[in-house]
Amino acid sequence: LAKTTQPISMDSYEGQEVNITCSHNNIATNDYITWYQQFPSQGPRFIIQGYKTKVTNEVASLFIPADRKSSTLSLPRVSLSDTAVYYCLEAYKYIFGTGTRLKVLA
Amino acid sequence: DADVTQTPRNRITKTGKRIMLECSQTKGHDRMYWYRQDPGLGLRLIYYSFDVKDINKGEISDGYSVSRQAQAKFSLSLESAIPNQTALYFCATSDLGTGSNEQFFGPGTRLTVL
Repeated sequence: LAKTTQPISMDSYEGQEVNITCSHNNIATNDYITWYQQFPSQGPRFIIQGYKTKVTNEVASLFIPADRKSSTLSLPRVSLSDTAVYYCLEAYKYIFGTGTRLKVLA
Repeated sequence: DADVTQTPRNRITKTGKRIMLECSQTKGHDRMYWYRQDPGLGLRLIYYSFDVKDINKGEISDGYSVSRQAQAKFSLSLESAIPNQTALYFCATSDLGTGSNEQFFGPGTRLTVL
């Protein structure tokens, strides 16, 4: 099963918008794209899910282009508490990959 | 999520011992999953179950077995533990009926095999 690909790490400053992109080169036509956040020694926590175009909730936005080969998680105005590892996941494959380690600096 | 509990939270054991990790949920979800996480790495799926009579192997099932005793309980066994099974183990649940693919994770079990 092909895994998703995302950057290993990113740094940002408080108040900035952060965009994390994931590639989905072998996503199934009926599969959904989900994103999770994980803090050290805790289980991942669901952030957002989408199939196509743009989805927004109270914490993030998810952009998925028409070909669905990638997805971008957008975190508006990050704070120090957003420092975590972020995973993209094709929902029906249950493969998390290595995630993106986001560090938010003061 | 407090609705998904795992026992024990920490366990140290020796090579060759049989170990059982237990997961219980009060969310009423049909689907349950076991993952392991190694330091600095993502989660890897061990087994998953879509209902009491359904058990499926995941990415790394060798050396593990599972039992779905009831809708609310899903246990993971290491028949003969080895040091490279030292990891953080997570149980998760999801609900087919809501149309969402969100998984709810337990707090994890830290297992050390000496």
